[in-house]
Amino acid sequence: DTEVTQTPKHLVMGMTNKKSLKCEQHMGHRAMYWYKQKAKKPPELMFVYSYEKLSINESVPSRFSPECPNSSLLNLHLHALQPEDSALYLCASSRQSTNTEAFFGQGTRLTVV
Amino acid sequence: EDQVTQSPEALRLQEGESSSLNCSYTVSGLRGLFWYRQDPGKGPEFLFTLYSAGEEKEKERLKATLTKKESFLHITAPKPEDSATYLCAVRLDQGGKLIFGQGTELSVKP
Repeated sequence: DTEVTQTPKHLVMGMTNKKSLKCEQHMGHRAMYWYKQKAKKPPELMFVYSYEKLSINESVPSRFSPECPNSSLLNLHLHALQPEDSALYLCASSRQSTNTEAFFGQGTRLTVV
Repeated sequence: EDQVTQSPEALRLQEGESSSLNCSYTVSGLRGLFWYRQDPGKGPEFLFTLYSAGEEKEKERLKATLTKKESFLHITAPKPEDSATYLCAVRLDQGGKLIFGQGTELSVKP
């Protein structure tokens, strides 16, 4: 089983709202990722967690706040977003943060109005 | 600067017309090269992992190969259901970074 589950599938939020994206995997993977993907562009790395610790933050604005409560869960807290933040947000996991392939969820389509 | 470049950007094939997609990379410390398939509005689907020059992996009509500077994804006798965007990604020796090329949008017509 190589399933990464993301919820919700779609989200519309106003610029003053606070919302969270959730990601879950039960493969025993110890690395988890958040990517942002705009239309016709490749996924762009935002954050990497390794063994529940944030190991990479690709200079993402503070209105995006990641959280890894345990080895199976990854959240992305959203606050005061801008319309240009509208995109497909992808979560991924891998056995570890080096060498191994990553498996992706189906994404959350976020629209900021 | 670490870079991954895919070509062509788009490829239109007739059903049964074999071809190859290219992924060239310039990275300091390669920890694996990965091929993914992505359908519109969906997450990338993992296809292959390659680690060493000379390595080859095969799955149905797809075959991936790796040299020291590039990888090829060969598609033999494609079918319309092979239509998708194919993404190449490399894992860097930098704490877990996995970066993607721009992708090749493949369209196979019956």
